[in-house]
Formats: sequence, structure tokens, C-alpha cells
Amino acid sequence: EAGVTQSPTHLIKTRGQQATLRCSPISGHTSVYWYQQALGLGLQFLLWYDEGEERNRGNFPPRFSGRQFPNYSSELNVNALELEDSALYLCASIQEPSGYEQYFGPGTRLTVT
Amino acid sequence: SQELEQSPQSLIVQEGKNLTINCTSSKTLYGLYWYKQKYGEGLIFLMMLQKGGEEKSHEKITAKLDEKKQQSSLHITASQPSHAGIYLCGADYKLSFGAGTTVTVRA
Repeated sequence: EAGVTQSPTHLIKTRGQQATLRCSPISGHTSVYWYQQALGLGLQFLLWYDEGEERNRGNFPPRFSGRQFPNYSSELNVNALELEDSALYLCASIQEPSGYEQYFGPGTRLTVT
Repeated sequence: SQELEQSPQSLIVQEGKNLTINCTSSKTLYGLYWYKQKYGEGLIFLMMLQKGGEEKSHEKITAKLDEKKQQSSLHITASQPSHAGIYLCGADYKLSFGAGTTVTVRA
């Protein structure tokens, strides 16, 4: 069984640009969570999608947005990039409502210069 | 503010020695997850604790949940180089994680 995949592995952008990160959950998993892991700040919850809808949102500005497609894959968009957006972005999938274990992808390392 | 506080932030142990990591929640815990992360990679699920007093073991790693104290501890016995990494606790509501404890095992 294929695990959670994320692309790209690394992304380098300049301040003010937009970044798009992608996540494919494990087959059969309908929920996708996005997290930001910045140096020294730990894992911060960004967004939660389930069955194509945004279910919850962390304490991040509106320039962080995303969506979930009919095949349950998900996209995270970050507009007007700032230097402090540099971080490892992780997505995790879970088989709601019965599942409780989150399966994490390897992450996308976003560097904003 | 962090709802889950981990301690210590980092620790260095000699191979073969034991170590303990603590995770304290500011909210009522109905369950707690432990994960391990190699630097710059995704998280690997270790175990989940759901009931107060519950204790689970996986190989040489044991975790306990003290519901009353809203605290969990992760204990590694006879540490090995493979135990090195970042250990994170996560709350059952999946939206909050501890900042992580970096474990270094010295040969």
C-alpha cells in the first residue's frame, strides 16, 4: 500500500510569490491535514479537509488556503510569500471517521528568499 | 500558545542508558499520540494512549497516560542509535502537537 505522498520535495520561492504544495493521501483515506513545521516552533496545525470540505483551520492568515479534490488529494496554496513562511509543510491522512492514526507524508521543504 | 508542553527540549544519552520524555496538556486529554521524526522528514506513529493509566509498549519504548495530571511520559529502555530523532506528542484532537524532544544517542 502506497503511503502519503507530497510534491514537490523542495520548493524555493522569492518573497511575494505564490507556492502550491500537493498531497496525495493513502487510498481510502478521506481526511487530509496540513501542518507547518518551522524551525523552533514545532508542528502547527494549518488546515483540515474531509470529503472535499474545509473542516477546521488553524491560526494562520487567509493567504494560506487550500482545497481537496474529489479523489481526496489536496493542495495547499500560500500567497504573497513571506520569509517566515520558510518551513517544512507536512500533510497527513486519516480514514475518518473510524481511524485515529494519522499517516504523515515526507513533507515539502519551502524556502522563501 | 502551545497546548502541549514537552520536556526536555533535547537530551543526549549514552547508548544503553534509559531516557524519559514528558508531555503535559493544558486541556483535558481523552487520548494522546506519540510520534517519532527523523530530521526534516515526516512523522512516524509510535502509539496512542486512550485511557487514564494506560501503558503501551513497542519494542523498547513504553508510554503511559496519566489522565488526572493531563500528562504522558515516553520511556526508552537501553537506548540505541536507532532511537535518535525527534519525539513529538500529539493530542487526540489532532490539532495540537508538542514542540518535540530531540534525542541524541552517543555511542
